[in-house]
Amino acid sequence: KAGVTQTPRYLIKTRGQQVTLSCSPISGHRSVSWYQQTPGQGLQFLFEYFSETQRNKGNFPGRFSGRQFSNSRSEMNVSTLELGDSALYLCASRNSPGVLYEQYFGPGTRLTVT
Amino acid sequence: ELKVEQNPLFLSMQEGKNYTIYCNYSTTSDRLYWYRQDPGKSLESLFVLLSNGAVKQEGRLMASLDTKARLSTLHITAAVHDLSATYFCAGHLMNRDDKIIFGKGTRLHILP
Repeated sequence: KAGVTQTPRYLIKTRGQQVTLSCSPISGHRSVSWYQQTPGQGLQFLFEYFSETQRNKGNFPGRFSGRQFSNSRSEMNVSTLELGDSALYLCASRNSPGVLYEQYFGPGTRLTVT
Repeated sequence: ELKVEQNPLFLSMQEGKNYTIYCNYSTTSDRLYWYRQDPGKSLESLFVLLSNGAVKQEGRLMASLDTKARLSTLHITAAVHDLSATYFCAGHLMNRDDKIIFGKGTRLHILP
């Protein structure tokens, strides 16, 4: 079974631009969560999508948004990029929420904002 | 709200020694996870602990859970250099929020 895949793996953007990251979950998994990892703040939960609906959200500004498609693939978008958005963005998939299924992480997208 | 604290945040140790990483959490957690992360890489699942008294072992790593003390430990026995990585614990509370909350991680550096 293929694991969670994320594209692109590396990205360099300029302040003020916007960026879209993509995540394909493990086949059969319908829930996708996104995390931001920085040296200072650690791993912080962004949001979780299930059945094309956002069911959970962390404490991030509205510049961070996401969506999920009918095939469970998910994208996250960050608009008006700031230097502090430089981070490793990880997505994780699990079978479904509401049940104690373990989640599996993708390789991450390293975003650098200059 | 579930909060997860790990200590120490950084640990440098000699090969062959034993040590323990501690993970405290603030409210009842339905599940406790341990992950390993190598530099620049993603998170690899190590253990999932479900109930009080749960103990799981894989090689030189052993994880345990004490739900009454709200404490999980990751014990390293006779450390080897290959175990150098950052280890995260995460709590999972199954309420309407259903979030998985991570500790800040313990960076483990094992000296040859």
